[in-house]
Amino acid sequence: QAHLVQSGGGVVQPGRSLRLSCAASGFSLRTAAMHWVRQAPGKGLEWVAVMSALLHDGSYKYYADSVKGRFTVSRDDSKNTLDLQMNSLRAEDTALYYCARDRKVGDNDAFDIWGQGTMVTVSS
Amino acid sequence: DIQMTQSPSSLSASVGERVTITCQASPDSSHYLNWYQHKPGKAPKLLIYDVSNLESGVPSRFSGSGSGTDFTFTISSLQPEDVATYYCQQHDYLLRFTFGPGTKVDLK
Repeated sequence: QAHLVQSGGGVVQPGRSLRLSCAASGFSLRTAAMHWVRQAPGKGLEWVAVMSALLHDGSYKYYADSVKGRFTVSRDDSKNTLDLQMNSLRAEDTALYYCARDRKVGDNDAFDIWGQGTMVTVSS
Repeated sequence: DIQMTQSPSSLSASVGERVTITCQASPDSSHYLNWYQHKPGKAPKLLIYDVSNLESGVPSRFSGSGSGTDFTFTISSLQPEDVATYYCQQHDYLLRFTFGPGTKVDLK
């Protein structure tokens, strides 16, 4: 059965970096697009980034404008893990971060499996 | 970017009552829509995908409909365990994903 377990997170000062990890079991991350989604305290869900499945010409990555240039998503195929490297963190990045698997049916992409979430707090 | 609105932002209903949430997307969206349930302390859960398809294992009291830019999510008979926030979600043809602002459902 497909399962995602997250690690990383914690408290970090503004301007510093943090790395989140998402370990998959029951399926290969190379065969699925994977997303990061976050929820700031008292706010709704916000999509952060996507990394595609491994295609013949590699994987593509897209980011929300709010994190573009600061966050990088990557995949370690040997460990079957997805990472989110977060640099130049800001107070507004404080949120509960989820990884989620993309299930594509036709042209529709839905997030069918979610990690348990990991909290990131950016504060001095 | 896709703009999405949901209404109402919150509602209170009695057990057994019918609950309806609407979601409106901007015209440049993909016209596909998914619905999620999110309870505090839990990961979001996919309920409806591609407008009206019920995710496996989800009770049949949940349903979705709509087309184009206007979509509806319905709980036919509200149960205590349905207290949660519900989000619609779409993506555009550039694979930018957006969630609606959410609708918080409480028991009256």
